[in-house]
Amino acid sequence: QVQLVESGGGAVQPGKSLRLSCGASGFTLTHFAIHWVRQAPGKGLEWVGMISYDGSQTYYADSVKGRFTISRDTSKNTLYLQMSSLRPDDTAVYYCARDKGGDLFYFDYWGQGTLVTVSS
Amino acid sequence: SYVLTQPPSVSVAPGQTARITCGGNNIGSKSVHWYQQKPGQAPVPVVYDNSDRPSGIPERFSGSNSGNTATLTISRVDVGDEADYYCQVWDYSADFLYVFGTGSKVTVL
Repeated sequence: QVQLVESGGGAVQPGKSLRLSCGASGFTLTHFAIHWVRQAPGKGLEWVGMISYDGSQTYYADSVKGRFTISRDTSKNTLYLQMSSLRPDDTAVYYCARDKGGDLFYFDYWGQGTLVTVSS
Repeated sequence: SYVLTQPPSVSVAPGQTARITCGGNNIGSKSVHWYQQKPGQAPVPVVYDNSDRPSGIPERFSGSNSGNTATLTISRVDVGDEADYYCQVWDYSADFLYVFGTGSKVTVL
């Protein structure tokens, strides 16, 4: 069955970097776009960015553009979110989610999330 | 950027119908998706492409979209439906991005 498992979260100081991983199983990354979505404590969902099914394109929300980078390793069926210049308002649970594909543009499977806390 | 507005809270008695709105400029021209999120859990899609249901989602969940408002309707509400609900669209007007609504907390009285 389709599964997404995030890892790599933790506490980090402002200005530092952190890399999150998203391991996929039950499907192949080369067939689906994958997104990162975050949720600050007690707040709503915020789209962070995505990588296309073929890995050729990435898109980011303005709030993270230039600081976050999405990449993948298809040999490991794993996706990454490299976060740099972290700020306290980046504190959130980070989810990876699969794009259903076609022309639907929605998230059909989600991981359980990993918490990132940015604090001095 | 495109904004989706939802009521912060919706209260409904068991067995009644809950309607959650999602307002956006000409949202009727877009494909709207809805997610249910229970405390401490990841979101789960309950309606996609305005009115379709993913496999395993009860028929009690339905959606509609017209003009400037999309609506998620939950019929015969039970305590298990108590959760946060978010609408979502893909906005291609200015940039390539995905937008979530502000979220609505459904409370079963």
